[in-house]
Amino acid sequence: NAGVMQNPRHLVRRRGQEARLRCSPMKGHSHVYWYRQLPEEGLKFMVYLQKENIIDESGMPKERFSAEFPKEGPSILRIQQVVRGDSAAYFCASSPGYVTDTQYFGPGTRLTVL
Amino acid sequence: QKEVEQDPGPLSVPEGAIVSLNCTYSNSAFQYFMWYRQYSRKGPELLMYTYSSGNKEDGRFTAQVDKSSKYISLFIRDSQPSDSATYLCACLPGTASKLTFGTGTRLQVTL
Repeated sequence: NAGVMQNPRHLVRRRGQEARLRCSPMKGHSHVYWYRQLPEEGLKFMVYLQKENIIDESGMPKERFSAEFPKEGPSILRIQQVVRGDSAAYFCASSPGYVTDTQYFGPGTRLTVL
Repeated sequence: QKEVEQDPGPLSVPEGAIVSLNCTYSNSAFQYFMWYRQYSRKGPELLMYTYSSGNKEDGRFTAQVDKSSKYISLFIRDSQPSDSATYLCACLPGTASKLTFGTGTRLQVTL
């Protein structure tokens, strides 16, 4: 049973480019969460999605960041016009459904902005 | 003030020692408490999941929650070099799925 899958594992972008991060949840999981981990900091919640719905985006920066979880395919976290401060590890987690279900994390995507 | 406070360490102990890791939190809405282990450049891995106050044991690991003092602990018995990792506490309210993490404590178990 495959776990949460994220790709790419490493992504390098120049300032002003777009970064697109993908997350495939565990089989049978319909809830996806994105977290960001800056150097020397804990994980910070960004957004919580169910299929075709954004449930909670209270942790998302107001500009340049967007997320989706389409009916078919992986969840996508998109960062437009990246800046150096966006360099971080981005983790996706998934859960079966209920609010307090365990969240299982993927290996993360490490974004470096040059 | 951060909602979840955790000493970043590093904490260095000899193999076989009992390790105590702690967090404090300020949000009374938190009802569920977790400990994750994160190896360098890997994703967090769930170790323990507890609801409300009390103890929970799983092998060498014991999680303890004291809601009256807003204090959560993880004890590791007979620590091994393979336990060397960063340990993250996380809290969850009962009505939302947004995990709030501590900054993590880096643990080094030496031979």
